[in-house]
Amino acid sequence: QEQLEQSGAEVKKPGASVKISCKASGNTVTDYYVHWVRQAPGQGLEWMGVTFPGSGTTTYAPKFQGRVTMTTDTSTSTVYMELSSLRSEDAAIYYCARPGVGPTAFAYWGQGTLVSVSS
Amino acid sequence: SYVLTQPPAVSVAPGQTARITCGGDHIGSSSVHWYQQKPGQAPVLVVYDDSVRPSGIPERFSGSNSGNTATLTISRVEAGDEADYHCQVWDSVSDHPWVFGGGTKLTVL
Repeated sequence: QEQLEQSGAEVKKPGASVKISCKASGNTVTDYYVHWVRQAPGQGLEWMGVTFPGSGTTTYAPKFQGRVTMTTDTSTSTVYMELSSLRSEDAAIYYCARPGVGPTAFAYWGQGTLVSVSS
Repeated sequence: SYVLTQPPAVSVAPGQTARITCGGDHIGSSSVHWYQQKPGQAPVLVVYDDSVRPSGIPERFSGSNSGNTATLTISRVEAGDEADYHCQVWDSVSDHPWVFGGGTKLTVL
């Protein structure tokens, strides 16, 4: 059974960075793409970017280019998403997700990580 | 980037049929996916590639896509269907390929 287990809630100050982990179990993490999606309070879902752990290839949404970095530790099957220069509008729940029934739909999701940004 | 438009809210009585739309320019030429999200939970895929149900999703959930509108239809609505529903497409020519609609809150009266 595929599972994506994310790290716990974070509280950060404006200007700081946050690094969230997403540990995959059930399948080899290098076999598929891992995406990051966020959801601000009361808002819709927002795609941030994707990484292919098998090669390290990444594609970031233009909005986050320059502030986001997605990496993988293949030895622990863990994917990381780091967002820098945090501002108040980055307060959100961050999800990792991956395809499973086709290349473009997200069949598996992590449980989400709440990031709060406050001075 | 590509824009998907959903109504903010839809209401339906139990046992009736709910239809949630997702509008986009020539969306009929793309594959549309739908997610159900209950409060405090991660989204769950309920329909993919316009009309395919993943394993475990009730037959009451169905989808269609044509022209500029995709539709998620929930038949014989139950109280447990109350949730937010999000549509999503993959825009192969965009620098922001994965796009979500704004989400629709389904209320069961």
